[in-house]
Amino acid sequence: GAGVSQSPSNKVTEKGKDVELRCDPISGHTALYWYRQSLGQGLEFLIYFQGNSAPDKSGLPSDRFSAERTGGSVSTLTIQRTQQEDSAVYLCASSLAAGSYEQYFGPGTRLTVT
Amino acid sequence: SQQGEEDPQALSIQEGENATMNCSYKTSINNLQWYRQNSGRGLVHLILIRSNEREKHSGRLRVTLDTSKKSSSLLITASRAADTASYFCATGEHLNNNDMRFGAGTRLTVKP
Repeated sequence: GAGVSQSPSNKVTEKGKDVELRCDPISGHTALYWYRQSLGQGLEFLIYFQGNSAPDKSGLPSDRFSAERTGGSVSTLTIQRTQQEDSAVYLCASSLAAGSYEQYFGPGTRLTVT
Repeated sequence: SQQGEEDPQALSIQEGENATMNCSYKTSINNLQWYRQNSGRGLVHLILIRSNEREKHSGRLRVTLDTSKKSSSLLITASRAADTASYFCATGEHLNNNDMRFGAGTRLTVKP
């Protein structure tokens, strides 16, 4: 079956522009997670969804970052007025439910802000 | 903020040797998971160990958990060049079981 997919795989944008990253979780997975990984670093938790609601938004770095999930499936992560420090790989993962379940990761979106 | 911290940051061994990576964490946890990452892209789940378990095996992988020391270790036996990757531990916190906190990872290089 299909795994987690993310699009685009690479995005180069100019500083100040808005970008939208998309994640398609595995069908039937109710939990969805967004992480950010800078070069050579660990994963930084951004936000997670259980269904369409986001109980924990504490990881979002600033109010320029927002995320939504509709229909309990696809999620979009939006970064407004991008800055160079936003450059990173953005990883999405899904799991059967939030909690002690294995997370399945997508291939990530590499964002470069010039 | 990160919860798990892996040690060492980098490890280089010869093929056939065993590789041991450690993870320490700070708060009470429900479970601890180990993941592997190739080429800076998506992570692959390796093994999950619950807080009431002490040891778990999966193929050439052996994971231990010591909740009294708040630490875990991942042992890869008879390593192969294909095991070269970054390995991360992630913890599910006891009071906040709905997200996983990842460490910075151990970069393992297995020389053929």
